[in-house]
Amino acid sequence: AQSVTQLGSHVSVSEGALVLLRCNYSSSVPPYLFWYVQYPNQGLQLLLKYTTGATLVKGINGFEAEFKKSETSFHLTKPSAHMSDAAEYFCAVSFQAGTALIFGKGTTLSVSS
Amino acid sequence: SQTIHQWPATLVQPVGSPLSLECTVEGTSNPNLYWYRQAAGRGLQLLFYSVGIGQISSEVPQNLSASRPQDRQFILSSKKLLLSDSGFYLCAWSAHRVELTFFGQGTRLTVV
Repeated sequence: AQSVTQLGSHVSVSEGALVLLRCNYSSSVPPYLFWYVQYPNQGLQLLLKYTTGATLVKGINGFEAEFKKSETSFHLTKPSAHMSDAAEYFCAVSFQAGTALIFGKGTTLSVSS
Repeated sequence: SQTIHQWPATLVQPVGSPLSLECTVEGTSNPNLYWYRQAAGRGLQLLFYSVGIGQISSEVPQNLSASRPQDRQFILSSKKLLLSDSGFYLCAWSAHRVELTFFGQGTRLTVV
């Protein structure tokens, strides 16, 4: 069965530090991969997606992620954290365009000054 | 452009009372529609999805049901709420054979 694992339910970084949020997936077919961000009591906003082509994808707010097929990973990074990055982040996968997303359990990012 | 509306934003209901959450999508036709629930520490769980009017698939057996009376309307219901139904409910839509999914602003349901 397809699944998504986000390592670390809570990540804390200092402002200006590197952000690294980990995501691994299991799949028997090439996946579509996504990262979403959620601010308190709001819906989900798409940060970035991977479908095909270049394995390093850039998203909004300075985030990027790299699809590594050999490691079945899609980790999210940002070189320098900002206070406004504090939120919950979800990794998700789908296996056919237009079908339901399967989500990881989420990682809460805290940023301290 | 397409938009998705979900209401109410917050809801406090007593145990045993009925529930009706509504979601509508504008600016597209025949969307795939989804209901997700987010409970603390459990991520987002797919509850129902629909590929067309009257076509509902349930992912998780529970105290809830869904209906799609119109092409762009998706309703989540319960006849009698349980405490365990508390959570943050998100409606979402995607176009057929397009990889992007768009989410509503969610409904915070507290069952007391």
